[in-house]
Amino acid sequence: AQTVTQSQPEMSVQEAETVTLSCTYDTSESDYYLFWYKQPPSRQMILVIRQEAYKQQNATENRFSVNFQKAAKSFSLKISDSQLGDAAMYFCAYRSRGGSEKLVFGKGTKLTVNP
Amino acid sequence: EAGVAQSPRYKIIEKRQSVAFWCNPISGHATLYWYQQILGQGPKLLIQFQNNGVVDDSQLPKDRFSAERLKGVDSTLKIQPAKLEDSAVYLCASSLSGSAGELFFGEGSRLTVL
Repeated sequence: AQTVTQSQPEMSVQEAETVTLSCTYDTSESDYYLFWYKQPPSRQMILVIRQEAYKQQNATENRFSVNFQKAAKSFSLKISDSQLGDAAMYFCAYRSRGGSEKLVFGKGTKLTVNP
Repeated sequence: EAGVAQSPRYKIIEKRQSVAFWCNPISGHATLYWYQQILGQGPKLLIQFQNNGVVDDSQLPKDRFSAERLKGVDSTLKIQPAKLEDSAVYLCASSLSGSAGELFFGEGSRLTVL
């Protein structure tokens, strides 16, 4: 079974600075998706960024980018120019390509942005 | 486009009582998920439907939890009887089958069992 590990329960960053959230995963599959989801205090989970395992190029979405290291099974999220609205729980998640397509989450990292 | 709708948003019950949560996915989304999120933890999949069939319910406590998705559209998750450890947020999500992977989540239903 696939597992996702987020080793940082909490992180903090100063507004306008850069922060990196860590994620590792365990799988025997070669093709899959990886995601970072954001969950603000209102609780609705929203997608931040997605990476397809067969793509070597790291995904980017505006201020958000990932460092995908397939061999190391590592998938970190970098947030540049942090804003107060970035404060939230961030979850790393894994999804098989094909099969049951279920999404497996890590335990999350709580990000605080200090003004 | 309307998002995933869930109700009720909040529910407080005594242990051993029953409760039901409702979810209406995004129109056209064949796959529907129920996740349990205990405070401070990541969501855990309870059950996954593909249309009106169950794909995965391996982590559903079947002695007390049940779920159905009649007609392959909206879904109901029931807990009977509730235990203290069932206090959590119940998240519903949906996705297009065979898509590039994104799940769309509802706002969740927060259950407190006293």
